[in-house]
Formats: sequence, structure tokens, C-alpha cells
Amino acid sequence: QKEVEQNSGPLSVPEGAIASLNCTYSDRVSQSFFWYRQYSGKSPELIMSIYSNGDKEDGRFTAQLNKASQYVSLLIRDSQPSDSATYLCAVSLSGGYNKLIFGAGTRLAVHP
Amino acid sequence: GAVVSQHPSRVICKSGTSVKIECRSLDFQATTMFWYRQFPKQSLMLMATSNEGSKATYEQGVEKDKFLINHASLTLSTLTVTSAHPEDSSFYICSARDGRFEAFFGQGTRLTVV
Repeated sequence: QKEVEQNSGPLSVPEGAIASLNCTYSDRVSQSFFWYRQYSGKSPELIMSIYSNGDKEDGRFTAQLNKASQYVSLLIRDSQPSDSATYLCAVSLSGGYNKLIFGAGTRLAVHP
Repeated sequence: GAVVSQHPSRVICKSGTSVKIECRSLDFQATTMFWYRQFPKQSLMLMATSNEGSKATYEQGVEKDKFLINHASLTLSTLTVTSAHPEDSSFYICSARDGRFEAFFGQGTRLTVV
């Protein structure tokens, strides 16, 4: 079983719709959770971090964490074509010296 | 967010030569930095964890004598690809975690070995 699992997609949504991206992780002691966006040929860009159960909103983005279910998700409201990218879920133990474990990423395509 | 600068962004070298890639945290001190490699249409692969003032920790299957990592200060880590071969051609990306433990990535270095 992979440590962090994501559906590879592509997830295709129309412009203006809500895109829902999901991620599950296997290590119950994981403490920190992150969503990154990566455009083709570029390095990943941090979108959201979440550390406690519940929802965290930032603009059009909402991260949701459920530690009991070992599940973290990212909702993108009012999706735009510029949101088309690969979204990477990452988890780690607490502490700045701990490595992040990345999922394989979900490719999102927002069509006009 | 915090800024991580990576240089060079693109390099072409001849087979058998060595290439050094620099990674700097510009506005924070990073005791730990991470080096990744990414092949086209594949996910990030962690190569090693770079710790300031001590030896790097390499992931299984990564040759430490081929990929030399030096983390001499709290703001600089370097990756040297020694005796590069065409199969080493890839996108190399560094990352550093700031005081809030969020990880930020450098711009990446696209290495082409000819």
C-alpha cells in the first residue's frame, strides 16, 4: 500500500464548477498535511497547509482533514482554466526536519 | 510564503562531467533541506534529506557517491551530480521547511546530459 494515495485523474470540470480532490494516507501518526499545485515544467507551489481536523478556507480553496478516516481533500470553488495543473497531496510527521511524503498527484483540467 | 532560490534553472553538460546545483533559503534559516528528482509525467522522488552541519540522509536506491550533498550553512545546500550520464537527465528540485514547517520549493533545475 502506498503511503499517500491520490486518484491520478484527469479530473475534468467545467469553468465555474467546484473541483474536489481527494487524498488518503496510511501513517496514523502523520501530523502535517499540504496541498501543492504544479504546472507542467514548473516546481510545486504551496496552496494550503492544514494541521487539525476540520475545514480551512483560503480564498477559493478549502482544505478538509479527517484524521480518523486518514483523509484529506481540497475543494476549488469557481474553477478557472488557470487552475488546470497537477495537484499534489503531501503529509509528514510534525517537526521541520521531517520529510514530506507526496502522492503521485491528480491532474485537473478545467475546460471553458 | 518563504522564498527558496535554486540555481541554475537549466544546464546542459557533457557526459562524464560534474554539475553543481545550489539551493538557498532567502528569508529564513533552513536546518533541513530536501532534494527531489522528477522525470517527465512522473511524481516527485525524494533523493535525500540535507541537514546543516552533518551528513545527508539518502533514500534507498540513491547513490550517495554520485549525488553529493553539502549543507554548509543554514541557508545553502548544494547537490553535485558527479560523472553525469544521459540517464541522469531530469528535473532536480530542492525544498526547505520554514519555521511553520511549511515546505517551499526552489524553481528547479533542468539537467540535460549529452
